[in-house]
Amino acid sequence: DIQMTQSPSTLSASVGDRVTITCRASQTISNWLAWYQQKPGKAPKLLIYKASSLESGVPSRFSGSGSGTEFTLTISSLQPDDFATYYCQQYNSYSWTFGQGTRVEIK
Amino acid sequence: EVQLVESGGGLLQPGGSLRLSCAASGFTVSSDSMSWVRQAPGKGLEWVSVIYRGGSTYYADSVKGRFTISRDNSKNTLYLQMNSLRVEDTAFYYCARAWGTGWYYFDCWGQGTLVTVSS
Repeated sequence: DIQMTQSPSTLSASVGDRVTITCRASQTISNWLAWYQQKPGKAPKLLIYKASSLESGVPSRFSGSGSGTEFTLTISSLQPDDFATYYCQQYNSYSWTFGQGTRVEIK
Repeated sequence: EVQLVESGGGLLQPGGSLRLSCAASGFTVSSDSMSWVRQAPGKGLEWVSVIYRGGSTYYADSVKGRFTISRDNSKNTLYLQMNSLRVEDTAFYYCARAWGTGWYYFDCWGQGTLVTVSS
């Protein structure tokens, strides 16, 4: 199975900061990676698919990059609505795995 | 508008059974691939099961042999039959549409339903 490891686990930042979250795969997955945002008590929401494609309706301050085994999610200017937990996800051989999550909290 | 609404969660004892439902609107479950994803309270996301457009089904090792995914095309509803439940199955269960061809991500999620297994 392919394991996904996110870093950091928790990130403290201020409104307006540039924030970067990293996701590493235990083996190469090309650009087959998605990112989700989850707020407390809510379902996850798709942000990015195929590593860098922005889902419709997602603000342009979110961007994704990477290929192979290392990927990043960047928020160019953190907004109050962005404080949440973020997960990366890969799909391979009829199963999905998620990273353990990165919680973005207010500094 | 694409929407998923789960129901059927509850409190039950270890060894019990429960069936979750996920009613879809705005699209047809039989025309897409559908999954269940769960999240233990305060923990991360764990994929549970998938039923592909063509009807093939797959399960995480943690639930294989105990859970069964199915769909009712006439009701446009996805199901998860959970048997031999364990304390570690306690979680919010989300249904999600698996979008793509050859590679899939979850583009639409339900609000979740809580299953609590406790003696």
